[in-house]
Amino acid sequence: AQSVTQPDIHITVSEGASLELRCNYSYGATPYLFWYVQSPGQGLQLLLKYFSGDTLVQGIKGFEAEFKRSQSSFNLRKPSVHWSDAAEYFCAVVAVNTGNQFYFGTGTSLTVIP
Amino acid sequence: DAGITQSPRHKVTETGTPVTLRCHQTENHRYMYWYRQDPGHGLRLIHYSYGVKDTDKGEVSDGYSVSRSKTEDFLLTLESATSSQTSVYFCAITDTGRGYGYTFGSGTRLTVV
Repeated sequence: AQSVTQPDIHITVSEGASLELRCNYSYGATPYLFWYVQSPGQGLQLLLKYFSGDTLVQGIKGFEAEFKRSQSSFNLRKPSVHWSDAAEYFCAVVAVNTGNQFYFGTGTSLTVIP
Repeated sequence: DAGITQSPRHKVTETGTPVTLRCHQTENHRYMYWYRQDPGHGLRLIHYSYGVKDTDKGEVSDGYSVSRSKTEDFLLTLESATSSQTSVYFCAITDTGRGYGYTFGSGTRLTVV
């Protein structure tokens, strides 16, 4: 069965520091992977996606993620965090054989301190 | 943003009453989904649709039904609302699904008292 694990419920970083949010997935075939961001009271916005090719993918707002098949991971990174990056981040995998359902992790809440 | 709207944005209802949430899209996308979001659970799929009159159950479908009579509208009905259905409900759409990711609505905050 497909699933996504985000081991860190909450992360606090200083503004300007680097960031890495972890995501591990379980899926039988080649995964289609996504990162979404949710600001308080808002819907989810797509940050980036991977489904083939270069394992390092670039997204919006300066984010990037690296797909590592051997580790079943798709970690999100940003070299220098801004206060506006404070939000909830969700990793997701899509099950292409069951109506293209997305399976989401439980999310990582990011706090940015000045 | 893509043309997806949810209504109402907020609703308070009493236990035992039926409630219908609406998702409307102007993108002519084939796939539509209803998720609920709860602390500690992330987003969980309730029902989804892969075409007009074609729907299927998700992970947490008990107590919910859906209908899609037109491409643009996907309705979620709580047959008899319970306090455990207090949640934020999100609609999502996609065309081919796997390659493009979802586009989400802004959500409906439902409180069952």
